[in-house]
Amino acid sequence: DVKVTQSSRYLVKRTGEKVFLECVQDMDHENMFWYRQDPGLGLRLIYFSYDVKMKEKGDIPEGYSVSREKKERFSLILESASTNQTSMYLCASRPPGLEHTIYFGEGSWLTVV
Amino acid sequence: SQQGEEDPQALSIQEGENATMNCSYKTSINNLQWYRQNSGRGLVHLILIRSNEREKHSGRLRVTLDTSKKSSSLLITASRAADTASYFCATDDNTGFQKLVFGTGTRLLVSP
Repeated sequence: DVKVTQSSRYLVKRTGEKVFLECVQDMDHENMFWYRQDPGLGLRLIYFSYDVKMKEKGDIPEGYSVSREKKERFSLILESASTNQTSMYLCASRPPGLEHTIYFGEGSWLTVV
Repeated sequence: SQQGEEDPQALSIQEGENATMNCSYKTSINNLQWYRQNSGRGLVHLILIRSNEREKHSGRLRVTLDTSKKSSSLLITASRAADTASYFCATDDNTGFQKLVFGTGTRLLVSP
């Protein structure tokens, strides 16, 4: 089974802190994604990566950056956390090909106080 | 945003009843997928329907697709309390990248 592991399930951080959310997948997928999920807004794509060191902005990249130094690992970085970044963050991976499904991690609940 | 929409936003039914959720999307598609999310967890893939298919079944799930109306529906028959979850449709965004655009989801509550 494909496994996407998000290192932190629950985090509480202070405004202005730098926050790292780590994600690892074990199936050698080229594509990895970070989504944010908020009530009533569904899933919104923050950033994605289609190869090592390659990244593309999604719909809401402001306030975030990403890093993909190794194929299996995709990190989301909040340079200076703000309270409006309190949310559920979902990492996902997907092999190439439009008929493939996307595999999600269990999510990271981030609270910024 | 190319985000699709599901309706209803929330649905409450009794065990044994059928649940129907609808999804509308905005662009032409190669396929459409449905996902399920248990409360506070990640999403799990349920079913994929290709653009040249009109209907697809998987166990108690039935998905229809109408590309002329840019809409899809997910029917869960003989629902169970364990079906309580949020359900999302997703489509590729036609940019050539492998990213999926998700709808806003339908929250289904199945009461015993």
